Amino acid sequence: GQQLNQSPQSMFIQEGEDVSMNCTSSSIFNTWLWYKQDPGEGPVLLIALYKAGELTSNGRLTAQFGITRKDSFLNISASIPSDVGIYFCAGISSGSARQLTFGSGTQLTVLP
Amino acid sequence: ETGVTQTPRHLVMGMTNKKSLKCEQHLGHNAMYWYKQSAKKPLELMFVYNFKEQTENNSVPSRFSPECPNSSHLFLHLHTLQPEDSALYLCASSQASRDYNEQFFGPGTRLTVL
Repeated sequence: GQQLNQSPQSMFIQEGEDVSMNCTSSSIFNTWLWYKQDPGEGPVLLIALYKAGELTSNGRLTAQFGITRKDSFLNISASIPSDVGIYFCAGISSGSARQLTFGSGTQLTVLP
Repeated sequence: ETGVTQTPRHLVMGMTNKKSLKCEQHLGHNAMYWYKQSAKKPLELMFVYNFKEQTENNSVPSRFSPECPNSSHLFLHLHTLQPEDSALYLCASSQASRDYNEQFFGPGTRLTVL
């Protein structure tokens, strides 16, 4: 089956620093989604990307759909304590009946 | 609040018990999903319902039995589970007729099988 390689697995950063994480695949995806999951809660959709090369922002978050359609990255600028959580990428390919394939997540810890 | 609710939030059951998880979406969507989330593993898709019809069953053991009486409600019936079935069970919904399949998740049910 399709797989997404998400990295890094975990990050420890100081409050105020910028963060970058990415997902790569050997398959082409038509849509990339980024979710955040807080402890004890379900994933919440942050950003959706629909076109290769697209760059989309949501507040301090910026995500890009890679030109090759096989990767995507998420940047968080000026991190704050409430950014703590697990960030997941998810992709939809044309041959997957529009089902999501999820990455394994990046655990972000923000130190005061 | 994503518009998808799940009950109960926590469930502890023995291997011989029968229980049910409930999901309800208030978004007017027509597709609903069950996922299993175990520690250190990606989300695993279990079942998909489009317009109340099951369209996907990802080789899930028969001790998990889904039910979708209408496009707003989804159940997962559990019986004779194993300890390795302990996980967070997430429900999601989407608008299946759209070209883009953004899924919205509920808060999950934390299941512990003793």
